[in-house]
Amino acid sequence: ETGVTQSPTHLIKTRGQQVTLRCSSQSGHNTVSWYQQALGQGPQFIFQYYREEENGRGNFPPRFSGLQFPNYSSELNVNALELDDSALYLCASSLVNTDTQYFGPGTRLTVL
Amino acid sequence: AQKITQTQPGMFVQEKEAVTLDCTYDTSDQSYGLFWYKQPSSGEMIFLIYQGSYDEQNATEGRYSLNFQKARKSANLVISASQLGDSAMYFCAMRETPGFGNEKLTFGTGTRLTIIP
Repeated sequence: ETGVTQSPTHLIKTRGQQVTLRCSSQSGHNTVSWYQQALGQGPQFIFQYYREEENGRGNFPPRFSGLQFPNYSSELNVNALELDDSALYLCASSLVNTDTQYFGPGTRLTVL
Repeated sequence: AQKITQTQPGMFVQEKEAVTLDCTYDTSDQSYGLFWYKQPSSGEMIFLIYQGSYDEQNATEGRYSLNFQKARKSANLVISASQLGDSAMYFCAMRETPGFGNEKLTFGTGTRLTIIP
C-alpha cells in the first residue's frame, strides 16, 4: 500500500461529457502527477502539480486540466470527452526533489 | 527526446528460476533516474527499484536487482528465484534530470511476465 488513493475506481461517461477524477497523496508528499494509460500501453505523462500550480505538462490538450489543494489532494478534469479518452488514469505523489513517485490504484474511465 | 525501449512483449519463466527483463533508454541528459514498476492486473503501479545515473553500484532491493550498463544505455531488471506472484506487467521508466520541479516519468511499453508453476 502506497497511501495514495484515487476515486472513483471505475467510471462510464458518454462522448462530450465532462469528468472529474480525484487523488489523495501519500502523507508528506507535496507533488502530484497524473498519467493516462491506454490499453496495452505504458503510462503517458499528463501534468504535474507542486504548491497548487501546474509545474510541467505532457502532450495533452487544454481540455485536460487539474487542481491541487492545500492538503495536497488533487483533481483531474477532462472536458468534452472523446472515445480515445477511455483509459486508466493514474496519479502519483512524491516529495519534491526526490526521485520516486508512488502510484495510486487508478481510475478506469470508459467513454461511450 | 527521451525514449525507453522494452523489446520483450511477453516472457514465460519457470517458478524459482531467475529472469532478466530488458530495458534500453535514450537521453541526452547527464543526470537522470531509471525505475522499474510492476503492474498487476489490478492496475496499480508498484515501485520496485531505482538507479541514479551517477550511482556507481547496481541497485538491489531484495530479490530485485538492476543491471545498469551506462555506456550501453541499458537498465535490465533481474528477478531472482521467481514466484507465482511475480506474474504481472513490468515497466521500465526514466525520469528527466532529477531535481526541483522536473519529475516527469517516461515509460516503456512494458513486458508481461508469466511465472509457470
